[in-house]
Amino acid sequence: EIVLTQSPATLSLSPGERAALSCRASQSISTDLSWFQQKPGQAPRLVIYDSFNRASGIPARFSGSGSGTDFTLTISSLEPEDFAVYYCQQRSQWPRTFGQGTKVEIK
Amino acid sequence: QVQLQESGPRLVKPSETLSLTCTVSGGSVDNYFWSWVRQPAGKGLEWIARIYSSGSANYNPSVAGRITMSIDTSKNQFSLNLRSVTAADTAIYFCARESNYIWRLWGQGILVTVSS
Repeated sequence: EIVLTQSPATLSLSPGERAALSCRASQSISTDLSWFQQKPGQAPRLVIYDSFNRASGIPARFSGSGSGTDFTLTISSLEPEDFAVYYCQQRSQWPRTFGQGTKVEIK
Repeated sequence: QVQLQESGPRLVKPSETLSLTCTVSGGSVDNYFWSWVRQPAGKGLEWIARIYSSGSANYNPSVAGRITMSIDTSKNQFSLNLRSVTAADTAIYFCARESNYIWRLWGQGILVTVSS
């Protein structure tokens, strides 16, 4: 199965700062990558799909990039509601797999 | 507005069967893929199964052999049966709808604990 490795495990930043989260796939997955945001006690929420497409209702400060094996989720200027855990997920091959998550916490 | 709601026993004994149902309201199960994703407490997400409205299913090898998914279009529900559970199956179980291969809609999740 395809292994997704996210880095860093934790990102400590202040509101207004830029966040860059990395996801690396163990083999090429083209652009078949999504990013999900999860807050405590809540279900995951789709943020980005197909590497760079913002999901419905997601603010423009969120952007995604990458293809093949290396992907990045960027939050241009962190808002208080953006502090959460972010997971990448691939749909290129079965079984679909997730990364282990990056926690974006308030510094 | 389409909503998903998981239901089922919150406590299951080891070696028994975990059975969950996801009820779809505000929309139909027809012509969509439906999945179960689970999350052990404090850990990451794992896709375990999905089914199409026709009844065709596929499963994660990690649970294949123990799992069956079914769908009831008349009730707008789909279900999960996971047999021979152990403590490792303790998790929050989410149901989700797939649109164009993307999980865009999720239920709130249900915590199931495996314990005697």
